[in-house]
Amino acid sequence: QITLRESGPTLVRPTQTLTLTCTFSGFALTTTGVGVGWFRQPPGKALEWLAIVYGNDDKRYSPSLKNRLTIARDTSRNQVVLTMTSMDPVDTGTYYCAHHPITVAYMNWFDPWGQGILVTVSS
Amino acid sequence: DIVMTQSPDSLAVSLGERATINCKSSQSILYSSNNKNYLAWYQQKPGQPPKVLVYWASTRESGVPDRFSGSGSGTDFTLTISSLQAEDVGLYYCQQYFATPPTFGQGTKVEIK
Repeated sequence: QITLRESGPTLVRPTQTLTLTCTFSGFALTTTGVGVGWFRQPPGKALEWLAIVYGNDDKRYSPSLKNRLTIARDTSRNQVVLTMTSMDPVDTGTYYCAHHPITVAYMNWFDPWGQGILVTVSS
Repeated sequence: DIVMTQSPDSLAVSLGERATINCKSSQSILYSSNNKNYLAWYQQKPGQPPKVLVYWASTRESGVPDRFSGSGSGTDFTLTISSLQAEDVGLYYCQQYFATPPTFGQGTKVEIK
């Protein structure tokens, strides 16, 4: 059974850097094609993909946020860390990590997802 | 980026009746070499994370009730709930994975009439 859980601060000040950790179980992030992605959802709004790291350590980022994001895996701890710099109140929302399955495609759907962590950016 | 547009934004359906959600992509998400449409549907219940219902536009995820079905090809897709149940209330999203970044529709809220 695959599970994921997000952890990190729930309140961040404007201009600060957000660091979120996704701790997962039930799969190994060492196989090409397997991945862990990060998403966010502002209150009452739609889902937005942020980044993904694959089992071969390939990394992809949202073009609109690329300059602010870093994703990294720690295979020994079964964790994926996402950092986002220069936080602003518009970055407030629920942040999710999710499992990316292996299929014939390099980018796929994501399932399952963690429960999410609500991050508020406010002074 | 590929833009995904869902319609309607919300709909209210009586219990046992059919619910239909549409999703349109700004370009074709049909990959000609394998004839697969790179589209998934998710359900998100209040206070919960999204859960995949359908992928490859029409393949139902294991454990998903057969009242959920996906159809369409190219740029136009549909999620149908054949007989709405009370537990189906929530938000529904389509997502394309034909190109990076993967993008989502704005969501459709399904309620009981």
